Amino acid sequence: EPEVTQTPSHQVTQMGQEVILRCVPISNHLYFYWYRQILGQKVEFLVSFYNNEISEKSEIFDDQFSVERPDGSNFTLKIRSTKLEDSAMYFCASSASLNRGPYEQYFGPGTRLTVT
Amino acid sequence: QQQVKQSPQSLIVQKGGISIINCAYENTAFDYFPWYQQFPGKGPALLIAIRPDVSEKKEGRFTISFNKSAKQFSLHIMDSQPGDSATYFCAATDILTGGGNKLTFGTGTQLKVEL
Repeated sequence: EPEVTQTPSHQVTQMGQEVILRCVPISNHLYFYWYRQILGQKVEFLVSFYNNEISEKSEIFDDQFSVERPDGSNFTLKIRSTKLEDSAMYFCASSASLNRGPYEQYFGPGTRLTVT
Repeated sequence: QQQVKQSPQSLIVQKGGISIINCAYENTAFDYFPWYQQFPGKGPALLIAIRPDVSEKKEGRFTISFNKSAKQFSLHIMDSQPGDSATYFCAATDILTGGGNKLTFGTGTQLKVEL
């Protein structure tokens, strides 16, 4: 069964550094998302992306964050200057294949980001 | 108004018992309610979902009950098994707006099924 993949599984970076988290959504999906989960807390929406542009973003998704779909398969989240509070598990999700409704979102395994 | 409240925070059930997790919402625009199961170190996995035009949906041992007037929905796990031990999140979104379809998650319930 097709699945969302994410790399790396764990990223350690120093405060102030830029990081890029990578995702390969399920092929032929049209909507792409980033969520994050701080340890022990609920999953929080960051941004949704459709037709090569952001369709919605949360308050968390400030100017330090950006997303890109550089080619037909990858979807990336960039944090320009990381802060300690950016430490979290970041999940990529995708939805809207031809076979299912646009609202069923499938999540990747996540990238654990640790900012030191 | 965007919050989804989930209870209980943790739940211990004996093998073979029924696990019940409840969620409540305030935003009447929400029209799609999925449940996700998450094992430690893994991403949330879609378990079952319901639209508000039905009051119940069953898939195997998992049932969602939905009460539109009370703005509540719940997950029932029948014949709970140790392999069901995981964190369960309810979520909601308003798909008809055609926007980002962002999911608003509940706070999660840690389920432990004991032998």
